[in-house]
Amino acid sequence: EPEVTQTPSHQVTQMGQEVILRCVPISNHLYFYWYRQILGQKVEFLVSFYNNEISEKSEIFDDQFSVERPDGSNFTLKIRSTKLEDSAMYFCASLIGGPQPQHFGDGTRLSIL
Amino acid sequence: KQEVTQIPAALSVPEGENLVLNCSFTDSAIYNLQWFRQDPGKGLTSLLLIQSSQREQTSGRLNASLDKSSGRSTLYIAASQPGDSATYLCAAENYGGSQGNLIFGKGTKLSVKP
Repeated sequence: EPEVTQTPSHQVTQMGQEVILRCVPISNHLYFYWYRQILGQKVEFLVSFYNNEISEKSEIFDDQFSVERPDGSNFTLKIRSTKLEDSAMYFCASLIGGPQPQHFGDGTRLSIL
Repeated sequence: KQEVTQIPAALSVPEGENLVLNCSFTDSAIYNLQWFRQDPGKGLTSLLLIQSSQREQTSGRLNASLDKSSGRSTLYIAASQPGDSATYLCAAENYGGSQGNLIFGKGTKLSVKP
């Protein structure tokens, strides 16, 4: 069964550094998402992406965050200058469209030192 | 603003028991309600999706119900097994926003003892 893949599984970065998290959504899906889960807390929506542009973003998704779909397969989340509070599990998800379930990747654990 | 709550936060049952997990939401204008399973260190696996026009969905030993008027959904697991041990999350997708913006509860951590 097709699945969403995320790399790396674990990223350790110094505070203030840039980090790029990578995702390969399911190939025929049209909607793409990033969520994050701080340890012990709820999964939180960050941003949705459709037709090569951001559809919606949460308050968390400030100017330090950006997303890109540089080619037909990858979907990336960039954090420009990481902060300690960015430490979390970041999940990518994709959706074919309509009332269908989102498919999630296994996540990237981001640790900011 | 939609808020999703799950009770209990944790549940421990002996193998073979039937159980119910609860999810409540504050805004009844939902597009759909999804139940996910999360294993430690893993992503979210979609279990069931109930559209706003539906009352329930079934998959194997799982049955999810939706009552929009009361703002509640339940996940019923029949004849629980140790392999069902995981955290179960419910998530609401609202009308009016961009498709797929899910609002999650904090989850119920289920432990099924052999």
